[in-house]
Amino acid sequence: DVKVTQSSRYLVKRTGEKVFLECVQDMDHENMFWYRQDPGLGLRLIYFSYDVKMKEKGDIPEGYSVSREKKERFSLILESASTNQTSMYLCASSFSDRGNYGYTFGSGTRLTVV
Amino acid sequence: DAKTTQPNSMESNEEEPVHLPCNHSTISGTDYIHWYRQLPSQGPEYVIHGLTSNVNNRMASLAIAEDRKSSTLILHRATLRDAAVYYCILREGTYKYIFGTGTRLKVLA
Repeated sequence: DVKVTQSSRYLVKRTGEKVFLECVQDMDHENMFWYRQDPGLGLRLIYFSYDVKMKEKGDIPEGYSVSREKKERFSLILESASTNQTSMYLCASSFSDRGNYGYTFGSGTRLTVV
Repeated sequence: DAKTTQPNSMESNEEEPVHLPCNHSTISGTDYIHWYRQLPSQGPEYVIHGLTSNVNNRMASLAIAEDRKSSTLILHRATLRDAAVYYCILREGTYKYIFGTGTRLKVLA
């Protein structure tokens, strides 16, 4: 089975901590994405990457950074966690194309910042 | 950004067909229409996608209007396991989707 694996299902961190969310895919996909999902707001794109070491800002990049040193791994970094970053974080990957392939999503990491 | 509009919620009886509508009046000629669903406590799951022609797969059918300004996801026989939030999405450019808030489907036993 093809997979996108997120390192943690649930995470609790303190305000001001540096937080790393890891995502690994085994499908040799070029593109990888980080979304956050909040009630009433749907999924919002934080960052995406279309190649190793390449990254692009999504719609809500403030307070986040990303790293993609290997094709299969895409990390989301919260430089200094704040309570408004409490959310469900979803990683996804896809082939590089013009829309003729879907995304595969991970199961999500529910992050609580206290 | 191209946008989609879906009803907030719909209900269906078990084992009956369900038609989930989506409007995308600002779609461009190269935008694919994708549908995903999200079960509780899980990430979204790919359902089906298409460009111009109607599409069928083992999960569902996708009917695309001739002018491509709307589409309908058809679940032929709804089951309790089909209760989920269904997202209609346009593939924006090469890399990214724009998600709306989707339609919450409730299936009644």
